[in-house]
Amino acid sequence: SQQGEEDPQALSIQEGENATMNCSYKTSINNLQWYRQNSGRGLVHLILIRSNEREKHSGRLRVTLDTSKKSSSLLITASRAADTASYFCATDPFYSSASKIIFGSGTRLSIRP
Amino acid sequence: GAVVSQHPSRVICKSGTSVKIECRSLDFQATTMFWYRQFPKQSLMLMATSNEGSKATYEQGVEKDKFLINHASLTLSTLTVTSAHPEDSSFYICSAYGTGGFEAFFGQGTRLTVV
Repeated sequence: SQQGEEDPQALSIQEGENATMNCSYKTSINNLQWYRQNSGRGLVHLILIRSNEREKHSGRLRVTLDTSKKSSSLLITASRAADTASYFCATDPFYSSASKIIFGSGTRLSIRP
Repeated sequence: GAVVSQHPSRVICKSGTSVKIECRSLDFQATTMFWYRQFPKQSLMLMATSNEGSKATYEQGVEKDKFLINHASLTLSTLTVTSAHPEDSSFYICSAYGTGGFEAFFGQGTRLTVV
């Protein structure tokens, strides 16, 4: 079963604006990761945040993690047309001995030129 | 980062036939690999965990006799869709953890179309 829910399901913004996507999950986790998927393609790993971290940056990406609320957010600043893709959060549930990664429902991001 | 190669990238097969998809870790050894299925505009659903040298662990609702998984070496896992039907048409993706153990690397995916 899926671990995470993401909102919004779809987001359309103007190029240059910031995009924020949220992810909620159900169980305790070891870490949370964000991935990007271009249409019909494989996944690209964006950033990993561990359960003892609260915020992490990578270029134009900023990820926050609130384990008390079981939620995370991904902020993409100064969006570009190339950022158009689906974004998924993925968690490594604490109960899982196999460290399997469970994906959220995803957010489809469209950047308007 | 580590590379996971998946083959083929696209396959079209006739209903009732079997299709094998390969997942290789190119520059690292992977004792565990994961197989996911993704329907259009949906998220990735974990199908099974592939364990080198032992039986795969299937998620609830996934038919182990239909989706045969073999992980015979530390760099190769295969998923065979047996007696494929049109409803099996989907995007299948494999993944494996890199040597650091925290970041999972994904194959390019296989688009299966059953006609």
